[in-house]
Amino acid sequence: DGGITQSPKYLFRKEGQNVTLSCEQNLNHDAMYWYRQDPGQGLRLIYYSQIVNDFQKGDIAEGYSVSREKKESFPLTVTSAQKNPTAFYLCASNPQGTGELFFGEGSRLTVL
Amino acid sequence: DQQVKQNSPSLSVQEGRISILNCDYTNSMFDYFLWYKKYPAEGPTFLISISSIKDKNEDGRFTVFLNKSAKHLSLHIVPSQPGDSAVYFCAASGMGTGNQFYFGTGTSLTVIP
Repeated sequence: DGGITQSPKYLFRKEGQNVTLSCEQNLNHDAMYWYRQDPGQGLRLIYYSQIVNDFQKGDIAEGYSVSREKKESFPLTVTSAQKNPTAFYLCASNPQGTGELFFGEGSRLTVL
Repeated sequence: DQQVKQNSPSLSVQEGRISILNCDYTNSMFDYFLWYKKYPAEGPTFLISISSIKDKNEDGRFTVFLNKSAKHLSLHIVPSQPGDSAVYFCAASGMGTGNQFYFGTGTSLTVIP
């Protein structure tokens, strides 16, 4: 079935470590997004990419990095520079310029 | 600055009655609006959308109303069912926003059996 796969679903990290969250889609969508959700807050945009080898910062990009080497993959690295990394991370995709966002199941990152 | 606002963090409704969830936006460049439903520890699922050329869109028990002059939209669920209990997010996008989607802070709906 077509969809978006995020892994891992749960991840624990020690302070000072970088961690990479995977996002893969087989929907043939051009655009991909990373959002962060915190309790009582909406979904805040971290990074988005509208085409391979191109991406833009969202509202809260500091402490994060991404790459878009393949159309179907958009991994997010949470670096040690991110001051409050514990959150629920959501990856999404969208056929360029049309329709709704399709979301993955999310990844819960906890920093110990 | 929050461009999409949901001012009611929570809402409780009796089963069978109408649920009305509200959303306001500030950016006049938005021309496409969406509602998502989300359960804890899961990704949001798309419910219904509306383009700015319409003022109403209906899909089964769900209806979205758009008032462009007031920059306000609402989601009506009739009749409400216990399975509708979830967090609902409204979102907005537009040609002038670089294909970005802006989300509200969500409204937690509880439908009481």
